[in-house]
Amino acid sequence: KQEVTQIPAALSVPEGENLVLNCSFTDSAIYNLQWFRQDPGKGLTSLLLIQSSQREQTSGRLNASLDKSSGRSTLYIAASQPGDSATYLCAVRPNSGYALNFGKGTSLLVTP
Amino acid sequence: DAGVIQSPRHEVTEMGQEVTLRCKPISGHDYLFWYRQTMMRGLELLIYFNNNVPIDDSGMPEDRFSAKMPNASFSTLKIQPSEPRDSAVYFCASSPGTRGGDTQYFGPGTRLTVL
Repeated sequence: KQEVTQIPAALSVPEGENLVLNCSFTDSAIYNLQWFRQDPGKGLTSLLLIQSSQREQTSGRLNASLDKSSGRSTLYIAASQPGDSATYLCAVRPNSGYALNFGKGTSLLVTP
Repeated sequence: DAGVIQSPRHEVTEMGQEVTLRCKPISGHDYLFWYRQTMMRGLELLIYFNNNVPIDDSGMPEDRFSAKMPNASFSTLKIQPSEPRDSAVYFCASSPGTRGGDTQYFGPGTRLTVL
């Protein structure tokens, strides 16, 4: 069974810092990996999707990388802002089926 | 498009009562997913549909849970009878599928409290 782990569980940084969130998964037979953002009391918003054949994806200040063979992904946030405060979840889709396996998330707080 | 719509947003009920959660996916999306989120277990997939047909219901915790998708624009998740351990946030998500992209779009969730 695919296990997805996110470290750290919580992170607090001052505004302007660059930061890295980590995601690891136990089964490298994945179709793709997604990073989501969840604000308190809200649903999830997809940030980046990396196909298994890709190494990274970028959107604005966000960059996600994927090393499928080692079962790792990172989400890099440049020049963090208080508006980035949220919980970030990664999810992997297996080669068969559409069921996503989610990590428990990293709760990020960016202080002014 | 208005995005994925879920109702009700909050539901408080007593143990033993029937609960029905509703979802309207994004028009044109072929896939619909029901998830449950708790502090202890995180986000778990309960069931998903492709073109209104249930494909994988292995995440449905027990027979008290049932889901239907009578047409492309509506799905329900029913719990009967409800128990306190069913308290969680239930999310519906939809996806266009391989042709249109794999990204799943989530609704705002229904926060269920069973007393």
